[in-house]
Amino acid sequence: AQSVTQLDSQVPVFEEAPVELRCNYSSSVSVYLFWYVQYPNQGLQLLLKYLSGSTLVESINGFEAEFNKSQTSFHLRKPSVHISDTAEYFCAVSKNSGGSNYKLTFGKGTLLTVNP
Amino acid sequence: GAVVSQHPSWVICKSGTSVKIECRSLDFQATTMFWYRQFPKQSLMLMATSNEGSKATYEQGVEKDKFLINHASLTLSTLTVTSAHPEDSSFYICSAFPTPSYEQYFGPGTRLTVT
Repeated sequence: AQSVTQLDSQVPVFEEAPVELRCNYSSSVSVYLFWYVQYPNQGLQLLLKYLSGSTLVESINGFEAEFNKSQTSFHLRKPSVHISDTAEYFCAVSKNSGGSNYKLTFGKGTLLTVNP
Repeated sequence: GAVVSQHPSWVICKSGTSVKIECRSLDFQATTMFWYRQFPKQSLMLMATSNEGSKATYEQGVEKDKFLINHASLTLSTLTVTSAHPEDSSFYICSAFPTPSYEQYFGPGTRLTVT
């Protein structure tokens, strides 16, 4: 079984400051890693994913995450945040095998609040 | 991109009644859909895996007789909460899983309030 730990339940930052949201996982098999964002009263949107290849993955809105196998981490970073980045962020893992094994295990989420 | 819809977005029902939530993949076929439940300010908890043409697979601790899942077509899965009680009030989210694919696409969620 997999598990995901998001170390910070809330992260308040000021606009234009850098931010890091931490995620560690545990799994006995190879995994895919995901970051999802959830705005208030909305469903989840995929922010970025790691499947294979380069350990640094980027999103279109300036976020990036780095897969560190030795530390079993997949921390999310952004060098300069905007007010509009205020949301709940979920780290998730799935087995990288087929069919229903792709079901996701989520962390508890980190509420990022960007203040002016 | 792939779009998943849910209907209704918000429903209020009285205790003891049943309510049905629909999950549709609008522009792709999904042999597998997942149903999640999210309590306020908490993470998503997987309830069940819905497979087209076969019985759903429920996670441990989820009452299959209370949460009925029907995946009747490649674009539609339904979750029926039977004999709802206030503790069933929650945010229910589905995701659809195109085959072959590793990536799930999430619906916008349905907020259920049981009075």
